[in-house]
Amino acid sequence: AQSVTQPDIHITVSEGASLELRCNYSYGATPYLFWYVQSPGQGLQLLLKYFSGDTLVQGIKGFEAEFKRSQSSFNLRKPSVHWSDAAEYFCAVVANSGYSTLTFGKGTMLLVSP
Amino acid sequence: GAGVSQSPSNKVTEKGKDVELRCDPISGHTALYWYRQSLGQGLEFLIYFQGNSAPDKSGLPSDRFSAERTGGSVSTLTIQRTQQEDSAVYLCASLLNRDNYGYTFGSGTRLTVV
Repeated sequence: AQSVTQPDIHITVSEGASLELRCNYSYGATPYLFWYVQSPGQGLQLLLKYFSGDTLVQGIKGFEAEFKRSQSSFNLRKPSVHWSDAAEYFCAVVANSGYSTLTFGKGTMLLVSP
Repeated sequence: GAGVSQSPSNKVTEKGKDVELRCDPISGHTALYWYRQSLGQGLEFLIYFQGNSAPDKSGLPSDRFSAERTGGSVSTLTIQRTQQEDSAVYLCASLLNRDNYGYTFGSGTRLTVV
């Protein structure tokens, strides 16, 4: 069965600084990978997803993520963080077969300091 | 509708009471998922529907939890004899097909058992 690890529970970044959120996955084959963001009291919004092809994926709100098979990682990055980026971020994996149940990491809470 | 609708948005119930949580998916989405989000636990899969059938109920934590889906549309998650550990946000997601993995999440129902 697949699993996802997000090693950082909380991260604080200064506004304007760069951001990297870590995600490691465990899955026997090439997984389908996702990053979601959740603002307080809101559902999950998809930032980006990786299925195949170019390992650097561009998403919404200026986010990007890089799939590294050798490290089983799919880290999320943003060059310059805005205060509105403060939220909880979830990495998720789905098997590319069967009925496509998402398996989520436990999330990383991003705090943005002025 | 335009998105996945969940009701109620908040529910406070007394320990031992039964509760029903409703999910109204996007029209035409054949797959429907329920997840539970507890503090510090990320999102835990509960049950998946394809049409009105539930091929995977493996995430339901106990026999107090049940779910049904009617008409390939609305789904209801029922928790009987609620316990304090059932307090969480219950999220619903729907999916048109697995070719694009375009999951859409509702805003959730926050359940508090007192």
